[in-house]
Amino acid sequence: SQKIEQNSEALNIQEGKTATLTCNYTNYSPAYLQWYRQDPGRGPVFLLLIRENEKEKRKERLKVTFDTTLKQSLFHITASQPADSATYLCALDNNAGNMLTFGGGTRLMVKP
Amino acid sequence: DGGITQSPKYLFRKEGQNVTLSCEQNLNHDAMYWYRQDPGQGLRLIYYSQIVNDFQKGDIAEGYSVSREKKESFPLTVTSAQKNPTAFYLCASSYRVREPQHFGDGTRLSIL
Repeated sequence: SQKIEQNSEALNIQEGKTATLTCNYTNYSPAYLQWYRQDPGRGPVFLLLIRENEKEKRKERLKVTFDTTLKQSLFHITASQPADSATYLCALDNNAGNMLTFGGGTRLMVKP
Repeated sequence: DGGITQSPKYLFRKEGQNVTLSCEQNLNHDAMYWYRQDPGQGLRLIYYSQIVNDFQKGDIAEGYSVSREKKESFPLTVTSAQKNPTAFYLCASSYRVREPQHFGDGTRLSIL
């Protein structure tokens, strides 16, 4: 069956360190993989999209990698700040290409 | 400013009652979506619409209905057939399916 796995345990890191979040998937062949940020009681906000033929994408302190052989995406936040504390969701298009499926998200806590 | 507006923010339903959640966007997006989010979990797709007067079932459509009579509007009705409706409901839109989605700030539905 199709599955998207993100670490359900919260990731706690110290301010200034690099946070790395993982998104693993099985039985998908996505053309796109997307990352979103969600704050409590709010809707998700789109951060980055990476295509299957791209290995890496950067936006300011954010970096996403996409390894279609390992079926994994890594999401990095460098020089993390307490304001980066949130839940981060990965999403990928299903094999029919007509919808996104979201992972369960990983909560990131950055301590000052 | 362009965006998605969901209303109401909080909604209470009595047993056996249908309730309708509103979603309006002024982003000129063709595609619109409804998701359900339960505590500590990711988003599950209820219905989506790629174009006016057309919509498709998502993974958990039972007990829900939608309409798409206007490009800007995609209301969701939670019917009495939905036995466990307590959840956080999120509406989203995008230019086309699979592209980055813009989300509203959700409606939290509870049972009286």
